[in-house]
Amino acid sequence: DTEVTQTPKHLVMGMTNKKSLKCEQHMGHRAMYWYKQKAKKPPELMFVYSYEKLSINESVPSRFSPECPNSSLLNLHLHALQPEDSALYLCASSLNTGQGNEKLFFGSGTQLSVL
Amino acid sequence: QKEVEQDPGPLSVPEGAIVSLNCTYSNSAFQYFMWYRQYSRKGPELLMYTYSSGNKEDGRFTAQVDKSSKYISLFIRDSQPSDSATYLCAIPLGTNAGKSTFGDGTTLTVKP
Repeated sequence: DTEVTQTPKHLVMGMTNKKSLKCEQHMGHRAMYWYKQKAKKPPELMFVYSYEKLSINESVPSRFSPECPNSSLLNLHLHALQPEDSALYLCASSLNTGQGNEKLFFGSGTQLSVL
Repeated sequence: QKEVEQDPGPLSVPEGAIVSLNCTYSNSAFQYFMWYRQYSRKGPELLMYTYSSGNKEDGRFTAQVDKSSKYISLFIRDSQPSDSATYLCAIPLGTNAGKSTFGDGTTLTVKP
């Protein structure tokens, strides 16, 4: 199994809603990532979890709250989002070898629309 | 100045053409250079990477790095409609592969 599975594929939410994005991998990877990608732009790193601990937070607003319950699962909790937060949210994982060339495996993303 | 700049495109070529996708970068200390392919409504997938200078070939794809001019290229030979996608160059910043600087991407369309 070489897949990173993200659910849901699409999400529409109002600015007062609370929702969660889920990501799962069963490749034994010990690093997991959240990215945000706007249309026609490259992915922007949001968070990195290394061995289930948050290791990088790229100054993301607190309305985005990541959680890594175990080595296979990664969640992104959303609350009080703004319309400009509408984007494709991508999860990725990697072995966590500490090598810059290690392969990242991306999920297909959750397309989020905030109304 | 952005750390990596990518020729914006879009590119439209006939099937069978040779495609050249290009990026320049600013920091001579960078060592790994990656190319990702992203199909519409999908996440990026790593196509290939090179270390330092030189060429690397994988089937119809060749990645090339010229460190003297800080220039990286991806060549696609005998392009196919299935190659239609957005191609992103990326350079890892340090030892964490996920913390990379990406080019803005070039969208390629290969017409049958």
